[in-house]
Amino acid sequence: NAGVTQTPKFQVLKTGQSMTLQCAQDMNHEYMSWYRQDPGMGLRLIHYSVGAGITDQGEVPNGYNVSRSTTEDFPLRLLSAAPSQTSVYFCASSRGEVNTEAFFGQGTRLTVV
Amino acid sequence: GENVEQHPSTLSVQEGDSAVIKCTYSDSASNYFPWYKQELGKRPQLIIDIRSNVGEKKDQRIAVTLNKTAKHFSLHITETQPEDSAVYFCAASPSYNTDKLIFGTGTRLQVFP
Repeated sequence: NAGVTQTPKFQVLKTGQSMTLQCAQDMNHEYMSWYRQDPGMGLRLIHYSVGAGITDQGEVPNGYNVSRSTTEDFPLRLLSAAPSQTSVYFCASSRGEVNTEAFFGQGTRLTVV
Repeated sequence: GENVEQHPSTLSVQEGDSAVIKCTYSDSASNYFPWYKQELGKRPQLIIDIRSNVGEKKDQRIAVTLNKTAKHFSLHITETQPEDSAVYFCAASPSYNTDKLIFGTGTRLQVFP
């Protein structure tokens, strides 16, 4: 049981490039979410999904796209990377039965130059 | 939408002393308030949570209190130890039917031997 797995762990992008951060969970969790962590800003919710085929915007969705075609996977796409998107990105999942523990992936450190 | 404020941003205590971290939230519909601990370079992990029908909850050296009228909740750590050094995040769940969480900005706790 691997829990929540994110790939890659580190990535450097040039401004304007696009890429996909991968997130997979093997706990059959319905709810999945993406956060970005910046110094002094805490964890800010980018997008979330309550189940396959359903996604919604969080606090800071601009510049990011998501889709949820399966229960297990929830990729985050950066359409045209900007230096302001330099951050540590965390994917999290939970059972989705309301007020259940969130399990986080190990994070992806992204630098946009 | 929900907004969670957390104070202080940094906290230094002597080993054996107590530490208190405070959070306020804006959405009176929020009904679930977890606390996460993030050690350096690692993922956030749940340490304790409280629901809106409970005023206080304890787990060994940590406790959380909730004042729904004032819309604030606090984390109390007694008999602090060096291994308590980490960043602590409070969060609030503004939804009755999803696991959506909005986090505070974090408190860096340093416990000096």
